[in-house]
Amino acid sequence: DAGVIQSPRHEVTEMGQEVTLRCKPISGHDYLFWYRQTMMRGLELLIYFNNNVPIDDSGMPEDRFSAKMPNASFSTLKIQPSEPRDSAVYFCASSPDSGPRNEKLFFGSGTQLSVL
Amino acid sequence: AQKITQTQPGMFVQEKEAVTLDCTYDTSDPSYGLFWYKQPSSGEMIFLIYQGSYDQQNATEGRYSLNFQKARKSANLVISASQLGDSAMYFCAMRDGRVYNFNKFYFGSGTKLNVKP
Repeated sequence: DAGVIQSPRHEVTEMGQEVTLRCKPISGHDYLFWYRQTMMRGLELLIYFNNNVPIDDSGMPEDRFSAKMPNASFSTLKIQPSEPRDSAVYFCASSPDSGPRNEKLFFGSGTQLSVL
Repeated sequence: AQKITQTQPGMFVQEKEAVTLDCTYDTSDPSYGLFWYKQPSSGEMIFLIYQGSYDQQNATEGRYSLNFQKARKSANLVISASQLGDSAMYFCAMRDGRVYNFNKFYFGSGTKLNVKP
């Protein structure tokens, strides 16, 4: 399996522009998570999906952020309009369903976002 | 309240020595999983080891072992015979199953480990 695939690896944009981050989870995984990592705040869970349905979006910073999962093999995280404080590494991760909570997260390589 | 607490922002260890990275957790769910991930400077997140809440024995994976003390709610990572390549950020994580946050993963703030030659 190719693992979790994120694109782009790097994104540089100007303040006010729309940014779309993409993620392809591992086939067969029921859960998809979006995390943001910064030096100041560490790893923050933004939102996660189960079977394409958003379960918890309480970590989404504000209305400028939105996430969708139109099907089991694709998810997007959109920031509109982007601001310099959104600069971070954004990770997508997927996991199988885990009754006994023993299934680990598989992470993508991350998208390094810089908003100028 | 913090679900996962890592109290050591940074640590140094001499090459070939053992080191313990601390992690405490908070959950009311009887069924949960504890994980450790390594993040080297290249940025990827690498899974190291897993411990289930019902596991009777401490998990081990090569040079990594997890010192699981359920009553204390601690899940410390022990790295034996440290190598220079162990220099990285280490994250403790928990997956629990409370009804409204089923299968949610919580991460600690991380510990930056530096291995000295």
